[in-house]
Amino acid sequence: GENVEQHPSTLSVQEGDSAVIKCTYSDSASNYFPWYKQELGKRPQLIIDIRSNVGEKKDQRIAVTLNKTAKHFSLHITETQPEDSAVYFCAAKGQLIWGAGTKLIIKP
Amino acid sequence: KAGVTQTPRYLIKTRGQQVTLSCSPISGHRSVSWYQQTPGQGLQFLFEYFSETQRNKGNFPGRFSGRQFSNSRSEMNVSTLELGDSALYLCASSRLDRSSYNSPLHFGNGTRLTVT
Repeated sequence: GENVEQHPSTLSVQEGDSAVIKCTYSDSASNYFPWYKQELGKRPQLIIDIRSNVGEKKDQRIAVTLNKTAKHFSLHITETQPEDSAVYFCAAKGQLIWGAGTKLIIKP
Repeated sequence: KAGVTQTPRYLIKTRGQQVTLSCSPISGHRSVSWYQQTPGQGLQFLFEYFSETQRNKGNFPGRFSGRQFSNSRSEMNVSTLELGDSALYLCASSRLDRSSYNSPLHFGNGTRLTVT
């Protein structure tokens, strides 16, 4: 069936380094690709999204890249800070299918 | 602007019982979606309502149902509860003012359901 594969499931990086999380989707009709951040005990919140007519989008330290041919999109966080520690989720197919999440740990 | 409000925050039920969860979307938002979140499973889509109509349904048994009222508030019902239904149930609203499913979701804090 249709799915979204998200990797890695856990990512530990040194504070100040970069982090990259990748999602691969199967539904060719998907045209909206959001990333949500969920801090411990809190609700998921949208941090960045991209539409299929764009290859890359940046917002300060966060960027998302999309490769529609290969059906994958990635979240890039540069100069990581302690407050980036959270679980990150990607979604596709109109946000009906979600990745399993990536726990990002920022080591001081 | 008030955010998405879910009530109650916590619920403890016994197997076989039924439960109703409530969600009030952000004012002006007409789409309400429901998700189940369990550890290690991410978010599983339950269903989505727009203008009182269910537009999409996830792969959940018929014990899970929902509805939306004319003021966009939504309720979700789970009948004949099973232990495996223990989870955080999240509601999200979006503007959805054009072609579907391409709007950012605004989540509530969720209702944590424990089935014993």
